[in-house]
Amino acid sequence: KAGVTQTPRYLIKTRGQQVTLSCSPISGHRSVSWYQQTPGQGLQFLFEYFSETQRNKGNFPGRFSGRQFSNSRSEMNVSTLELGDSALYLCASSRQGWQQNSPLHFGNGTRLTVT
Amino acid sequence: QKEVEQNSGPLSVPEGAIASLNCTYSDRVSQSFFWYRQYSGKSPELIMSIYSNGDKEDGRFTAQLNKASQYVSLLIRDSQPSDSATYLCAGEGYSGGGADGLTFGKGTHLIIQP
Repeated sequence: KAGVTQTPRYLIKTRGQQVTLSCSPISGHRSVSWYQQTPGQGLQFLFEYFSETQRNKGNFPGRFSGRQFSNSRSEMNVSTLELGDSALYLCASSRQGWQQNSPLHFGNGTRLTVT
Repeated sequence: QKEVEQNSGPLSVPEGAIASLNCTYSDRVSQSFFWYRQYSGKSPELIMSIYSNGDKEDGRFTAQLNKASQYVSLLIRDSQPSDSATYLCAGEGYSGGGADGLTFGKGTHLIIQP
């Protein structure tokens, strides 16, 4: 069974630009969550999508947005990039979402560097 | 208090010994907890989940949950050098506005010395 696939693996952008990251969940998984990981803050929850609807959102500014398609694939968009957005962005999928005691399975992440 | 707290380490344990990793949590984190292992440069992978008070064993791993004291622990028996990694504790978080996603601690860096 294929795992969670994230593309691209690495990305370099300049301040002010926008970026779109993509995530394909494990087949049969309907929930997709996004996390930001930095050395200082660790893993922080961005948002979760289930059946094309944003079900939960973390404490991030509106520059961070996402969406989910009917095939459960998800995209995350960050507009007006700032230096502090440099991080590893991780996507995780689960069958029903973490609220249903359904464990998260993480992709390999997208390493975003903002210069 | 942060919602999920872990000692960042490094925790150094000799090969073959028991590694004990601990995590405490606040009232904002619910009763479902997960332990993830993350190797350097890799993504987190699920090791154990625990939902009720007590112990749960899976091979060399034992997770322990004590709701009264609000702590979760992970024991690794017969530690191997391949167990050297960062171990992340996570729990379900809730705020007044609703669910907050899985809340992770910053992780404990474990080193198994051959």
